[in-house]
Parts: sequence; structure tokens; C-alpha cells
Amino acid sequence: DAGVTQSPTHLIKTRGQQVTLRCSPKSGHDTVSWYQQALGQGPQFIFQYYEEEERQRGNFPDRFSGHQFPNYSSELNVNALLLGDSALYLCASSLGGDRMGEQYFGPGTRLTVT
Amino acid sequence: GQNIDQPTEMTATEGAIVQINCTYQTSGFNGLFWYQQHAGEAPTFLSYNVLDGLEEKGRFSSFLSRSKGYSYLLLKELQMKDSASYLCAVRGSYIPTFGRGTSLIVHP
Repeated sequence: DAGVTQSPTHLIKTRGQQVTLRCSPKSGHDTVSWYQQALGQGPQFIFQYYEEEERQRGNFPDRFSGHQFPNYSSELNVNALLLGDSALYLCASSLGGDRMGEQYFGPGTRLTVT
Repeated sequence: GQNIDQPTEMTATEGAIVQINCTYQTSGFNGLFWYQQHAGEAPTFLSYNVLDGLEEKGRFSSFLSRSKGYSYLLLKELQMKDSASYLCAVRGSYIPTFGRGTSLIVHP
């Protein structure tokens, strides 16, 4: 039973560039949420995708966008990268839309913006 | 707005019991969650409380008082592997909010 997978593991980008992060949910899950976790902080909710639509969104600018595919996998895109975007980006999957219940987190993508 | 408070760091001895507190102020309430996160790893789900009272799951228990905006995570028979960050998360009306986490250090 495959858990949540994310790619890439690590990424280094330059300020102003664009980045795409990928997530495959746990087998049987249909909902993907994305979080940003800065060092020493708790995860901050970016947005959630269910049925290929963004259902909920946290307090993040439009530079952060996403997509969910018919196979439930998801992408997080960040445009015009800022130094402050350096963080661990976590993907979490669950079942049934906005039920947060038992979310399974992926290992994360460590993004460094220089 | 949403505000979640938990201690930054706690230390305890192997075999002992430790209680990690979490207080919260949210608009709406649809459940409180505890996660464990080892350094460099993803958070793993520990417990979920939506009604007042104590939920027990092996060595871990979680308590909720909605009227007081208060929860705690109780860890019994501490093991060295319990050294990790413990995250309290509240789902308000819609969006989940995580606290900054409590770093627990278990020493021999």
C-alpha cells in the first residue's frame, strides 16, 4: 500500500523563478492538501484540492497555485519566488473532501530560494 | 482569527509521563488534532478530539475541553524514540491551523 509520495525531495531555485512540486496521494485517497512549514514553525495551510477543484485556501498570495489531476495526484506551483518562500512543502492526503480527519503526510519537498 | 499556543520545549525522563498542553482561540470549531513530527520527517497523525473528554490510544491520550479552549496530549512510559515535535492543530470553521509545535526531549 503506497503512502503519500512527493517529488522532488530537495530543490534550489533563484529569486524570481518558478517552481512546480508534485504529490501522489495515498492509495484510495481523493483529497490533497498542501502546507508550507518554515523552520521551527508548524505547517501553514496553503490550499486543498478535491474533485480537481480548489476547495479551501489559506492566507497565501495568488503566486501560489495548484492543480489536481483525474488520478488524484496534485501539483503546487509557485511563481516569482521570494527568499521567504524557502521552506518545507508538505502534501497531505485524506478521503472525502473537507474532512480533515486522518491526514497522511508525505515526506515533503525542501525548497531553498537563493 | 485563529491562535494556538503550546510550550516551545519540554524535557522528560525515559519511563516517565509527560503532558503537553495546547490552548486555542478559533472562529468555529470542528476538531482538534495532535501530530508527531520527528526532525526532518513528515508529521504523523496521533489523535483527534471533537467532543469533550479523554481519548486513549495505547501510551498516548488526548483530552479536550471546548469551553476552555484547551487540550492536552499525555504520553506515558516515555521512550527515547518519543523525542520529537508534537503539533497541536485545530480545524476552525474550515481551514486547519497548526501550532508551532512542542519539542519534547526524552533523556535516559
